[in-house]
Amino acid sequence: DIVMTQSPDSLAVSLGERATINCKSSQSLLYSSDNKDYLAWFQQKPGQPLKLLIYWASTRESGVPDRFSGSGSGTDFTLTISSLQAEDVAVYYCQQYYSSPRTFGQGTKVEIK
Amino acid sequence: QVQLVESGGGVVQPGGSLRLSCAASGFSLSIYPMHWVRQAPGKGLEWLVVISSDGSYTRYADSVKGRFTISRDNSKDRLYLQMNSLRGEDTALYFCGRDRPYMDVWGKGTTVTVSS
Repeated sequence: DIVMTQSPDSLAVSLGERATINCKSSQSLLYSSDNKDYLAWFQQKPGQPLKLLIYWASTRESGVPDRFSGSGSGTDFTLTISSLQAEDVAVYYCQQYYSSPRTFGQGTKVEIK
Repeated sequence: QVQLVESGGGVVQPGGSLRLSCAASGFSLSIYPMHWVRQAPGKGLEWLVVISSDGSYTRYADSVKGRFTISRDNSKDRLYLQMNSLRGEDTALYFCGRDRPYMDVWGKGTTVTVSS
């Protein structure tokens, strides 16, 4: 199974400042046949469905604000919120869809400092 | 409006069974593989199982293999999860999700509590 490890477990950022979440996979998520990284990022808020933010490691889902961006390839990935807004307080998860079981990172809780 | 709505959760005794349902609206379920994922109280997300669009292929997490069975009725735009031999550690919020192959649409979940 592919192990996904996020860091940090939590972070507190001032409004308008940058938030950076890292995700490391135990094996490469880059599929050679299509040169795509099979990595997605999700946002979870209480009482709401999980929201897809980023797929293929760096493609922003339609409707997601452009302050959210994804980067990285292979085994190391990053979700960046360029200017944190109050509505971004949530738990963020990375997930690999390279192979089953489709493992998630443990989650990163983002709060306002 | 593309939407998934889970139902069927409740309180069940250890060793008991429960059947969860996931209703799709705003799109045809028949063209998408589908997943079940769960989240124990205060914990992270655990992927459980995937089913192909036609139901011919399934893959389970080791934690539920042999106890849970996924199925689908594309004519009704419904996904199911039959859960048998339930244990305390199965207590969680259960979500269904659409595969593209990333999971782009999720429901709000249905709560299962296994307790005597």
